[in-house]
Amino acid sequence: AQSVTQLGSHVSVSEGALVLLRCNYSSSVPPYLFWYVQYPNQGLQLLLKYTSAATLVKGINGFEAEFKKSETSFHLTKPSAHMSDAAEYFCAVSEGSYKLIFGSGTRLLVRP
Amino acid sequence: DTGVSQDPRHKITKRGQNVTFRCDPISEHNRLYWYRQTLGQGPEFLTYFQNEAQLEKSRLLSDRFSAERPKGSFSTLEIQRTEQGDSAMYLCASSYEGRGYEQYFGPGTRLTVT
Repeated sequence: AQSVTQLGSHVSVSEGALVLLRCNYSSSVPPYLFWYVQYPNQGLQLLLKYTSAATLVKGINGFEAEFKKSETSFHLTKPSAHMSDAAEYFCAVSEGSYKLIFGSGTRLLVRP
Repeated sequence: DTGVSQDPRHKITKRGQNVTFRCDPISEHNRLYWYRQTLGQGPEFLTYFQNEAQLEKSRLLSDRFSAERPKGSFSTLEIQRTEQGDSAMYLCASSYEGRGYEQYFGPGTRLTVT
């Protein structure tokens, strides 16, 4: 069965600094991978997805993620953090063609 | 495209009462999903529909939970005889089969059982 591990329940960066949120997955088949963002008391918004095309995936709001099969990783990065990036971020793997398996999330704090 | 909507956004109920939540998916999406999210955790899959057919139910979905999607449009999730452990955010998502499996989420219904 697929699973997702997000290292670091909280990540704190200064405004303008690099954002790196880590995600490792376990999958017995080529995975479909996703990053979602959740603001307080809201649903999840899709940031980006990997579906076996290019290994470097660009998403919204300047985020990107790189699929590394050898490391079973799909880390999320952004070159320069903005205060509005403060939120909870979830990595997910698609099991079959329907079910999403989520990690436990990483809360990003951005210091002024 | 108005997005996925859920109603109500918040529900407070007493233990033992029944509650029902509604989800309206994006209109052309034929798949609809329910997830549950507890504090500090990622969403957990509960069930999903393709059109009006309920194709899978998680073991998390006890006999007190039932979901329907009549006519393949909106869906309802009912919890009977609520327990304090049912307190959570209930998220609905929809997708169109064949479009890269991306799911679009609604704002959720936060349930508090007192």
